[in-house]
Amino acid sequence: NAGVTQTPKFQVLKTGQSMTLQCAQDMNHEYMSWYRQDPGMGLRLIHYSVGAGITDQGEVPNGYNVSRSTTEDFPLRLLSAAPSQTSVYFCASSYGDPSSYNSPLHFGNGTRLTVT
Amino acid sequence: RKEVEQDPGPFNVPEGATVAFNCTYSNSASQSFFWYRQDCRKEPKLLMSVYSSGNEDGRFTAQLNRASQYISLLIRDSKLSDSATYLCVVTGGSSGSARQLTFGSGTQLTVLP
Repeated sequence: NAGVTQTPKFQVLKTGQSMTLQCAQDMNHEYMSWYRQDPGMGLRLIHYSVGAGITDQGEVPNGYNVSRSTTEDFPLRLLSAAPSQTSVYFCASSYGDPSSYNSPLHFGNGTRLTVT
Repeated sequence: RKEVEQDPGPFNVPEGATVAFNCTYSNSASQSFFWYRQDCRKEPKLLMSVYSSGNEDGRFTAQLNRASQYISLLIRDSKLSDSATYLCVVTGGSSGSARQLTFGSGTQLTVLP
């Protein structure tokens, strides 16, 4: 099983450019989410989805868009990159509610993004 | 005040040592608690859930103290392979949903030969 697959692994953007981070999972998980991880801070939730066609904002949604047209895919779009968006981005999925003890989060291996 | 606070470390301990980490949380309504492990430049992975009665998984013991709002992780007989960053995770946070996970910034452990 591939689990959660993120692409690309590394990306350098110039300020103002846009791009899409891809995330796909093959575990038939309903819940998918995007986090960013910055030094000295915990992972922060950007956007999440509880199923195809449903998305919602997390703690730090500004500057990012998401869509969930299929159960498997949950792309994250940076509309106009800014240096403050330099970070490591993780996609994560779970079978159900990730706050449940029965539904742990499975993370992709991350995308390291640098905005210059 | 951070919603989930952890001592960042680093904790440097010799092989075979016992080491304990604490984590405090600010949301008294938090219902679920977890420890995740993150190896250097890798993704986080669930280490263990933390139940109200405390729980043990091999060399790892997790405990919850709701009155004082902290959870702990005890690692006995440390192995070199235990070297990682340990993330404390609780439910509820500033995003408004009681089901959202809030991550601490992690405690770094290095086990020395």
